[in-house]
Amino acid sequence: QQQVKQSPQSLIVQKGGIPIINCAYENTAFDYFPWYQQFPGKGPALLIAIRPDVSEKKEGRFTISFNKSAKQFSLHIMDSQPGDSATYFCAASKGNYQLIWGAGTKLIIKP
Amino acid sequence: KAGVTQTPRYLIKTRGQQVTLSCSPISGHRSVSWYQQTPGQGLQFLFEYFSETQRNKGNFPGRFSGRQFSNSRSEMNVSTLELGDSALYLCASSLDSMNTEAFFGQGTRLTVV
Repeated sequence: QQQVKQSPQSLIVQKGGIPIINCAYENTAFDYFPWYQQFPGKGPALLIAIRPDVSEKKEGRFTISFNKSAKQFSLHIMDSQPGDSATYFCAASKGNYQLIWGAGTKLIIKP
Repeated sequence: KAGVTQTPRYLIKTRGQQVTLSCSPISGHRSVSWYQQTPGQGLQFLFEYFSETQRNKGNFPGRFSGRQFSNSRSEMNVSTLELGDSALYLCASSLDSMNTEAFFGQGTRLTVV
């Protein structure tokens, strides 16, 4: 019940395309769903986060879609650029309990 | 403001030795979490400290321990190192709650030979 399942493991998209990364969770008590972006040699950095009272959140070219009934959330990157090539992690948590992390998606945007 | 600082950046240790890693959180942040990152296992949660108390703990053996000081700086210690402990160890700080933004350091790359 504590797992967050992330897919795909890797993804290659042409520049300008819209990569979509999906995450599914079991614990309905989760109330915080962040996405982190990690470049090689760096620690992860928060990209965007959502709470379950909204179904969608946009920040620049990044959008989280949240489906509470399906217990799924996804990250969409509009007009993707080679600079978006990175590893993306979804996570979930409740209150002051630890973040539960997905396994990560390695995204490559081809020029 | 200064980010999360982890020292050292790189370490090479011999199997059986012990190691201490240090993390200085962002000023004013009271929560510090530690993670182990390996290529095949992603981010594995070790433990979280808040106001000098361990608040959350992952599923790692007792060889992995940590502490937090009154200035929120944190250390983690790994005793009796094994080859499988080779990994990137990341520290993250957040203001107070686990469900707010966590700021990561660049990590300490530990190699056990």
